[in-house]
Amino acid sequence: EIVLTQSPGTLSLSPGERATLSCRASQTITSSYLAWYQQKPGQAPRLLIYGASNRATGIPDRFSGSGSGTDFTLTISRLEPEDFAVYYCQQYGSSQFTFGPGTKVDIK
Amino acid sequence: EVQLVESGGGLGQPGGSLRLSCATSGFTFSKYSMNWVRQAPGKGLEWVSYISSSSNIIEYGDSVKGRFAISRDTAQDSLYLQMNSLRAEDTAVYYCARVRIVAAMGYYYMDVWGKGTTVTVSS
Repeated sequence: EIVLTQSPGTLSLSPGERATLSCRASQTITSSYLAWYQQKPGQAPRLLIYGASNRATGIPDRFSGSGSGTDFTLTISRLEPEDFAVYYCQQYGSSQFTFGPGTKVDIK
Repeated sequence: EVQLVESGGGLGQPGGSLRLSCATSGFTFSKYSMNWVRQAPGKGLEWVSYISSSSNIIEYGDSVKGRFAISRDTAQDSLYLQMNSLRAEDTAVYYCARVRIVAAMGYYYMDVWGKGTTVTVSS
């Protein structure tokens, strides 16, 4: 079973700053199987990135994903007020899905 | 507009049963695999179950295997989750999510989510 670890647990930043979120897998995963989601309080998750680096429809270009093997990164180039939320990575394998524990990006 | 609307949540007794439904619209339901994902209060996301478009592949997370059953009805464009032998730790918001598969590229992800239905297991 592949375990996803996200770091840091909480990232305290100011609007306009750059956010770098890490997702590490316990073993090598196929990059195309890696996705990122954003969740705001009281809302359902929203797809941001699929295939490790492809932005979903309607996602601003300040969001970018990268990585391969066991290490993946979600970068928000300049934080907007609406970007303060929890971010989850997710991987797929053999018709099963696994989420990381999440990184909370809050306002410093 | 693509929509997923969950229902059926509420208060369940430990050891009891609940059946969740997810009504879909705005897309060809029969062509998509679907997931149930849950979120306990104050916790992260946990994948619960997967069903392929033709129902020939069904998978469950370890925490619900043997107790929950996923199914779908193409005529009703609906997804279901039968929850039996409920436990306090099943208390969560339950989301249905559409699974987008682009086999040629190897992409598997959840592109549309419902707003969720809340299940509380307590005596």
